Amino acid sequence: QVQLKESGPGLVQPSETLSLTCTVSGFSLSSYSVSWVRQPSGKGPEWMGRMWYDGDTAYNSALKSRLSISRDTSKNQVFLKMNSLQTDDTGTYYCTRDRGNNYYFDYWGQGVMVTVSS
Amino acid sequence: DTVLTQSPALAVSPGEKVTISCRASESVSTLMHWYQQKPGQQPTLLIYLASNLESGVPARFSGSGSGTDFTLTLDPVEADDTATYYCQQSWSDPWTFGGGTKLELK
Repeated sequence: QVQLKESGPGLVQPSETLSLTCTVSGFSLSSYSVSWVRQPSGKGPEWMGRMWYDGDTAYNSALKSRLSISRDTSKNQVFLKMNSLQTDDTGTYYCTRDRGNNYYFDYWGQGVMVTVSS
Repeated sequence: DTVLTQSPALAVSPGEKVTISCRASESVSTLMHWYQQKPGQQPTLLIYLASNLESGVPARFSGSGSGTDFTLTLDPVEADDTATYYCQQSWSDPWTFGGGTKLELK
């Protein structure tokens, strides 16, 4: 059974760094890519970046200067770090499993709500 | 970035047929996918590569289109279909989503 679960702080101070963890089960990070997708309340999702199955990474150019994605395959975890957070970074952050090389998302975690506020 | 435009909302009665549209700012071939998001839940995949039904999704859902114009059809609509529907393209980096169409049942 494929599962993804995000964890991390719900509240981050402006200008601080967000650190999130995605813990997966039911599939191997060496066989599937995992993306991070965020969604402001009431708006459409935004693809942030991807950890490829081979360990390479890809980032949305709008976030690339602030974003880092890494993984620990032994723990079945993918990590997101984004610095210089502002209030418009508030939203729900999801990790997703990516199917094949056609870049769509067949499983999603339940999401973690992140609020950027002082 | 490729912009995907969706109508904000639709209201239909159970048993009717409804089509939800998504228009891309440039051709995305058939690299268009559809998701359903119920309130308070994560999105779930309905249709991939424009017209392929995801496993476990009822056959009431179907997708069509290519190039810049795409359609998600529900026929017939059921009460449980109340949700927001998003399209997503994977033709050009960064992969983008539409703003969503909120489907309400009368």
